[in-house]
Parts: sequence; structure tokens; C-alpha cells
Amino acid sequence: SQQGEEDPQALSIQEGENATMNCSYKTSINNLQWYRQNSGRGLVHLILIRSNEREKHSGRLRVTLDTSKKSSSLLITASRAADTASYFCATNTDKLIFGTGTRLQVFP
Amino acid sequence: EAQVTQNPRYLITVTGKKLTVTCSQNMNHEYMSWYRQDPGLGLRQIYYSMNVEVTDKGDVPEGYKVSRKEKRNFPLILESPSPNQTSLYFCASSQNLPQEQYFGPGTRLTVT
Repeated sequence: SQQGEEDPQALSIQEGENATMNCSYKTSINNLQWYRQNSGRGLVHLILIRSNEREKHSGRLRVTLDTSKKSSSLLITASRAADTASYFCATNTDKLIFGTGTRLQVFP
Repeated sequence: EAQVTQNPRYLITVTGKKLTVTCSQNMNHEYMSWYRQDPGLGLRQIYYSMNVEVTDKGDVPEGYKVSRKEKRNFPLILESPSPNQTSLYFCASSQNLPQEQYFGPGTRLTVT
């Protein structure tokens, strides 16, 4: 059962630009998490935002959550080539369900 | 170093030959889970375990078995692998479910 859907599926930008990825989901959640995956490797947790939070920051990452619209966004500011990866949102209800991901390519 | 380890990392096998993928974590986590990742389908949960001796089915449990006899280990068993189980498999753990998950490096399985 797919809960989160990321948009866009793929995104290409130049170094220094900002990258925004969106996640929409269907049911009420306890929290929403964002993960990064470098090609073929294990996922790495980036940030967790609880259902009663609206915005959270971690370094160059900014996550927003709108529970009324059942959507979240991940903003990466001043992107770097090293940010090239796939990014997944995961919604937590009674289990953690991952979306299909956004593939971000950052060109030097 | 806090980590989740999986073995083997790569495996090519034939249809019907039983195999086990091991998963171990050294963080004393209660919750462990197995996922498979396929192109266009994202990560799908196979089985999860809230604690020792407690396991439950995820979204795609058919053809898989798990056990949780010790807190640190959560092996994934394919009793009779089939080609549709060719995939990239990840084990993950967390202190409990709502918290961030730590992922292993993945096991790429090919069943011919």
C-alpha cells in the first residue's frame, strides 16, 4: 500500500540552486520522515517532523508539513553535487510506508 | 560504530534453493524490519518485528519468513526462491517504530 507519493519523480539543477521535493499522502500520520539514498546504497535518515509540527530545519534542509493538505515538502538550499541522490518520504502510521522517491541530480 | 550489517551483500542463486540473508544491529534497537526495493515501486515492507519473538507481516510477505530469537538479529529466509524475488533487500532497525530507522547496506539478490 503506497502512502506517500513524491513529486517530481526526477529533478535536475545546477550547483547553488535550491531543490524542492514534495510528498503527498492519504491518511492521518504520527510523523513524516525524509531519507536520502545514494545509488544502490542503504537509506540515510535526514529529518523527522511530527504531525503537530509545521516546519523543521536541519542545516541546509527545511521540511514543512501541512496536515490539512496531507502534504510535505523538502527544500535543500544551495545544493551541491554531493546532494545528488534519491530522496524518499516515509509516513508513519502503525508502520512506516515509503514513497517511490525523487531522483535529484545536481550538476557542478 | 553503530550500524546495521547484512550478509551477503550480493547473491545469485537458482529457483528453489533455500537461502537466508542475515541482519544484525548493534544499537540495542527494539524494532527491526525488512524491505525490498524494486524500480518504480519504491521500498515495500516484507516483515517487521516490534521486539524479540514478535514478528508481523508487512505489505509483501509472500514467499518470505523471518525470526527474531535475539534482539540484535533478524534473518530473512526464502524457503523456495523464485525469479520474482530478484530485488534489492534492506534491513532496518530503530529504537521503536516512530523513530528514525537505520538501514543496512543492502543485499542484491538475483534468482535465475
